[in-house]
Amino acid sequence: AQSVAQPEDQVNVAEGNPLTVKCTYSVSGNPYLFWYVQYPNRGLQFLLKYITGDNLVKGSYGFEAEFNKSQTSFHLKKPSALVSDSALYFCAVRDSDGQNFVFGPGTRLSVLP
Amino acid sequence: DAGVIQSPRHEVTEMGQEVTLRCKPISGHDYLFWYRQTMMRGLELLIYFNNNVPIDDSGMPEDRFSAKMPNASFSTLKIQPSEPRDSAVYFCASSFNGDYNEQFFGPGTRLTVL
Repeated sequence: AQSVAQPEDQVNVAEGNPLTVKCTYSVSGNPYLFWYVQYPNRGLQFLLKYITGDNLVKGSYGFEAEFNKSQTSFHLKKPSALVSDSALYFCAVRDSDGQNFVFGPGTRLSVLP
Repeated sequence: DAGVIQSPRHEVTEMGQEVTLRCKPISGHDYLFWYRQTMMRGLELLIYFNNNVPIDDSGMPEDRFSAKMPNASFSTLKIQPSEPRDSAVYFCASSFNGDYNEQFFGPGTRLTVL
């Protein structure tokens, strides 16, 4: 069965500094990986995904993620954090039949002014 | 498109009452998912449908929960009878099979059972 781990409950970063939110996964076949963001009192919003191809994936709002097969990781990154990036971030992996997601527990990102 | 629409946005009810949550997926999407989010358990998949047919309901917590999708544009999640531990935010999401499956989430229904 597939699983996703987000080892950090909380990440704090100063505005303007680079940020990284970590994600590791376990899946039997080829992984399809996703990042979502949730702002307070809102539903989850899709940020980016890795299906195949380049290991570095670019997404919305300046975010990118790097797929590393040997480390089974898919860390979310942004070169320069904004206060408005403060939110809850979820990593997800798709299972073998392609329609069921498993979401990680979420990481709360706080960008301090 | 207006995105995934959920109603009501907030529901407060008393223990033992029936609760019905509603969802309208994005037009053309053939998968629909129901999730529950709590502080303790995070985001849990309850059930999902493909072309209006329930595919996996293993996440439905117990018989008090039921979900239907009578047509491609409407789904309901019903709790009968409701209990305080059902208090959570319930999300509906939809996706299109041919687009590598990113899901589009509705705004959620915040359910409080007193």
